[in-house]
Amino acid sequence: EAGVTQFPSHSVIEKGQTVTLRCDPISGHDNLYWYRRVMGKEIKFLLHFVKESKQDESGMPNNRFLAERTGGTYSTLKVQPAELEDSGVYFCASSQTGGYTFGSGTRLTVV
Amino acid sequence: GNSVTQMEGPVTLSEEAFLTINCTYTATGYPSLFWYVQYPGEGLQLLLKATKADDKGSNKGFEATYRKETTSFHLEKGSVQVSDSAVYFCALRGSATDSWGKLQFGAGTQVVVTP
Repeated sequence: EAGVTQFPSHSVIEKGQTVTLRCDPISGHDNLYWYRRVMGKEIKFLLHFVKESKQDESGMPNNRFLAERTGGTYSTLKVQPAELEDSGVYFCASSQTGGYTFGSGTRLTVV
Repeated sequence: GNSVTQMEGPVTLSEEAFLTINCTYTATGYPSLFWYVQYPGEGLQLLLKATKADDKGSNKGFEATYRKETTSFHLEKGSVQVSDSAVYFCALRGSATDSWGKLQFGAGTQVVVTP
């Protein structure tokens, strides 16, 4: 079984630019989560999809962040425009019956 | 709201030393508790978990016991190896249905094991 795939693995962009992160969950997993770890602090919840619907987006920091999940399959997280404080590692996870599988993360650096 | 507090790192120790990473939590109801590990260059992996009070999770020589009376879930290993060098995260998942499975993490503790 393929795991959760995230790409790119690294991204370096300038302040003000747009970046789109992608997550491919395990096939058949209805639940998809986005988390991020900023500046070595705790990993914080961003949002949760159930299939293509946003179940909980209470962790999204502001309206510069837009998440979508096309047809309940892969998900994208767009940051537009990026700010310096958006730098960090963005993790995606999927689950079906409660057990999480995390991706390797995307390290985003905004300069 | 729910929260997790774990000891700050980095923790540096020699091979075969005893490792303890403290983790305490605040939560309503009966959360599930987890330890995740992130090895260099890799993603988060579940190390062990416990779903109710007094449960002991164990894996790869690591253990943690869910202590409701002290709201703790300390991670221990009796004899660490260089390959245990990683960042360890304590996490909880709330019991309320409106938590929808989201995890609350601690800040992570970097462990460095030297030969």
